[in-house]
Amino acid sequence: KQEVTQIPAALSVPEGENLVLNCSFTDSAIYNLQWFRQDPGKGLTSLLLIQSSQREQTSGRLNASLDKSSGRSTLYIAASQPGDSATYLCAAIFSSGSARQLTFGSGTQLTVLP
Amino acid sequence: NAGVTQTPKFQVLKTGQSMTLQCAQDMNHEYMSWYRQDPGMGLRLIHYSVGAGITDQGEVPNGYNVSRSTTEDFPLRLLSAAPSQTSVYFCASSAKRNTEAFFGQGTRLTVV
Repeated sequence: KQEVTQIPAALSVPEGENLVLNCSFTDSAIYNLQWFRQDPGKGLTSLLLIQSSQREQTSGRLNASLDKSSGRSTLYIAASQPGDSATYLCAAIFSSGSARQLTFGSGTQLTVLP
Repeated sequence: NAGVTQTPKFQVLKTGQSMTLQCAQDMNHEYMSWYRQDPGMGLRLIHYSVGAGITDQGEVPNGYNVSRSTTEDFPLRLLSAAPSQTSVYFCASSAKRNTEAFFGQGTRLTVV
C-alpha cells in the first residue's frame, strides 16, 4: 500500500530556530509532492509543490526538498516565528495509484515558542 | 478571488438524514475531489472527478454519492447519515492531476 509518513507528530521549538520537518513515502514513483499548512479549525493552505523532476522549491523562508530514491521530502523553515505555529501536512500523488490523487501524511504539529 | 468555496461550514444531522455538501471553484479546474479528515486517520479520499461528467471512487466512498454536471461544482451527497460520518470534509481542486491543489475551508459535520 502506498503510504506517506510524517515524524514526529508534534514539535516545539523556540522562536528564531531553523527547523526541518520530515516526510517519507513508500513508493518512489510519484508525480509530485505538496506541502500544506493547516491552522486549527481551518482549511489547508498550499505552501510548496515539488514536481518529480525537481529537487527543491523555495518560497520566502520555506525550502522543500525531494529525494525520490530515498523516499523522503523535507520542509526547511528558516528563522521560525510564533506565526509559523500550525500543522504541516505533506501529500504525494503516486504515479501507479489507481486514483492518482493526493495521499496525505498525518501531519506534524509545530509550536514556535516566543 | 474566491478559489474553492464550501457550504455549509457547520452542520448537525440526525442519523438517517440525507444532505448535500456543496463545493464550487472559480478557477476552471478540471480535477476536483472530496476528502474527509479524522483524528489519527489523516485526510482520506472519498470521491474525485477528472472533468465534467466523470467521477470515480476513492479510498472511503461508501455512504457517499457525487456527480459533476458542470466544471465549477462538485457536490457530495450523504445518502443516510451515520455517526461514523462525523468528520471534517474538504473539497479540493487542481488544474491538472499533477498541478497544485487548492482546498476549501472545510465543512464540519456532526451526525447524532
